[in-house]
Amino acid sequence: GESVGLHLPTLSVQEGDNSIINCAYSNSASDYFIWYKQESGKGPQFIIDIRSNMDKRQGQRVTVLLNKTVKHLSLQIAATQPGDSAVYFCAVLTGNQFYFGTGTSLTVIP
Amino acid sequence: NAGVTQTPKFRVLKTGQSMTLLCAQDMNHEYMYWYRQDPGMGLRLIHYSVGEGTTAKGEVPDGYNVSRLKKQNFLLGLESAAPSQTSVYFCASSTLGYNEQFFGPGTRLTVL
Repeated sequence: GESVGLHLPTLSVQEGDNSIINCAYSNSASDYFIWYKQESGKGPQFIIDIRSNMDKRQGQRVTVLLNKTVKHLSLQIAATQPGDSAVYFCAVLTGNQFYFGTGTSLTVIP
Repeated sequence: NAGVTQTPKFRVLKTGQSMTLLCAQDMNHEYMYWYRQDPGMGLRLIHYSVGEGTTAKGEVPDGYNVSRLKKQNFLLGLESAAPSQTSVYFCASSTLGYNEQFFGPGTRLTVL
């Protein structure tokens, strides 16, 4: 199976600062990773993904870093905006099943 | 494109009642999934389907049944609801298992 955890259940940042959200997983055979954003009362929304043959991937204002040695991935959000306030969680594909972290609730302070 | 839709959005059941949750997707995705989301826990896979007419158990399948008679629909059934099944249920779909999943808006189910 797989165990997926996040280091911080909540995170508060000032508007304009960078945010870093972390995720740890347990199975070295995990080979695909996704970060999702979930706003209150809505379904999860894809942000960015990364495969195990990469260690960094960038999107618009977001970067995902993967460290397979320590089984850790992080999501970096640049110039955090009020609209970024949401719960963020990682999903880890192990075998044919995704395992999800519990989420970090990000609050952006204006 | 409506994406992934779920009906109903809310439902209250009494213990022992049955119901079916409907998920529909218009993206021609092969894979479909049912998850439940509980406070303090990550999404947990109930059942999934890799194509029309096929289903498989996920992490927490007990008390649920599913059917995928049409490619675009994935039904989740509760035969005899229990309070432990109070949760928010999400349906998702993807082109392949190795791709991002598109989620529906969720169904909030309360079992009294």
